[in-house]
Amino acid sequence: GENVEQHPSTLSVQEGDSAVIKCTYSDSVSNYFPWYKQELGKGPQLIIDIRSNVGEKKDQRIAVTLNKTAKHFSLHITETQPEDSAVYFCAATQGGGADGLTFGKGTHLIIQP
Amino acid sequence: DAGVTQSPTHLIKTRGQQVTLRCSPKSGHDTVSWYQQALGQGPQFIFQYYEEEERQRGNFPDRFSGHQFPNYSSELNVNALLLGDSALYLCASSLATGGDTEAFFGQGTRLTVV
Repeated sequence: GENVEQHPSTLSVQEGDSAVIKCTYSDSVSNYFPWYKQELGKGPQLIIDIRSNVGEKKDQRIAVTLNKTAKHFSLHITETQPEDSAVYFCAATQGGGADGLTFGKGTHLIIQP
Repeated sequence: DAGVTQSPTHLIKTRGQQVTLRCSPKSGHDTVSWYQQALGQGPQFIFQYYEEEERQRGNFPDRFSGHQFPNYSSELNVNALLLGDSALYLCASSLATGGDTEAFFGQGTRLTVV
């Protein structure tokens, strides 16, 4: 089955700086890669996703890149703000979001004022 | 438009008991997936229901079972509870086919087994 590795487990950045979280996956048939943000006491919230026919996707301060050959994908957050502090999870699956997702272990992003 | 709703929000059960958790999907969604999230870990896929049948299953024992109703809502049942079943149980809904295939999560049910 699919295995997703996520790094780093904790990331502390100064407010206004950029943050990068990296994930690798093992199953070459995976074709859908969402990123979720989870705040304390809440369920994961989808923030951006990318499908295997696209190399990069951007939504305001958030971007995701995908390298299918190397089987890794990354989340980039620019101009970080205090409200970006949360745990971020990457995930992978085949068949889009309608199939079961395999998650990484999460990255605790801390934005220092 | 209500998102994914789960009940109850918190639950305390004794080892060996049985528990039922409930989920209502986002309006328009027909597929419900259940995940277990242990403290400090990522969610783990338990199973998925579509058209009232279990369509996919993760690596969880038969003590974990589920059901989907004609209105697409779903239940997760866990029998013979173990201390290790203590976790946040998340429900996610999605559309099996069509353009919107993203999975949206509820706020979860925090289960504590004592």
